[in-house]
Amino acid sequence: QQPVQSPQAVILREGEDAVINCSSSKALYSVHWYRQKHGEAPVFLMILLKGGEQKGHEKISASFNEKKQQSSLYLTASQLSYSGTYFCGTENFGNEKLTFGTGTRLTIIP
Amino acid sequence: NAGVTQTPKFRILKIGQSMTLQCTQDMNHNYMYWYRQDPGMGLKLIYYSVGAGITDKGEVPNGYNVSRSTTEDFPLRLELAAPSQTSVYFCASSYSGQSSFYGYTFGSGTRLTVV
Repeated sequence: QQPVQSPQAVILREGEDAVINCSSSKALYSVHWYRQKHGEAPVFLMILLKGGEQKGHEKISASFNEKKQQSSLYLTASQLSYSGTYFCGTENFGNEKLTFGTGTRLTIIP
Repeated sequence: NAGVTQTPKFRILKIGQSMTLQCTQDMNHNYMYWYRQDPGMGLKLIYYSVGAGITDKGEVPNGYNVSRSTTEDFPLRLELAAPSQTSVYFCASSYSGQSSFYGYTFGSGTRLTVV
């Protein structure tokens, strides 16, 4: 079942923060986060595993709430290069493939 | 190290024609996937493979076929193209299915239009 992402779109000024949420109705084993720029392929950002800790690099981090079957992606002090569509991909137990959400379009303006 | 290579990048097909989308990876990944992405939408899984000789259906397999004779190659065959197959097709690969710490590596995509 496809995970639900929110919001669908967000517009930020450079330097502002954003949170993108991803929720599933099924028990999750892991959550992936990807960023896709217009006309390009999705690029892997990070993975969060069941029982794992919050992960991140630079100013992009994510958390995984196992009880709620939710993950959140945090972008702090956003830069112009952060613009793009963010997808979460979820893996369920016993499944060897990702199911992607419908995406969140992030626009950063100067 | 080229990663995942897809050909062609663009193609226009007439209704009823057939074609093969090529995908090859040089990372020795066991798992390979085919997704399609319609405008403004997420990625839908068509077929996937966990190793040479093993393939399985994804969410939207109708109208497509795959084969996996080698670790490197995972071609997608479209038979009797229909306008509903107009989409961008992405091939991806990974070391494993679950707990793939390096995530999926995607090819640059094939933009297919069926007229």
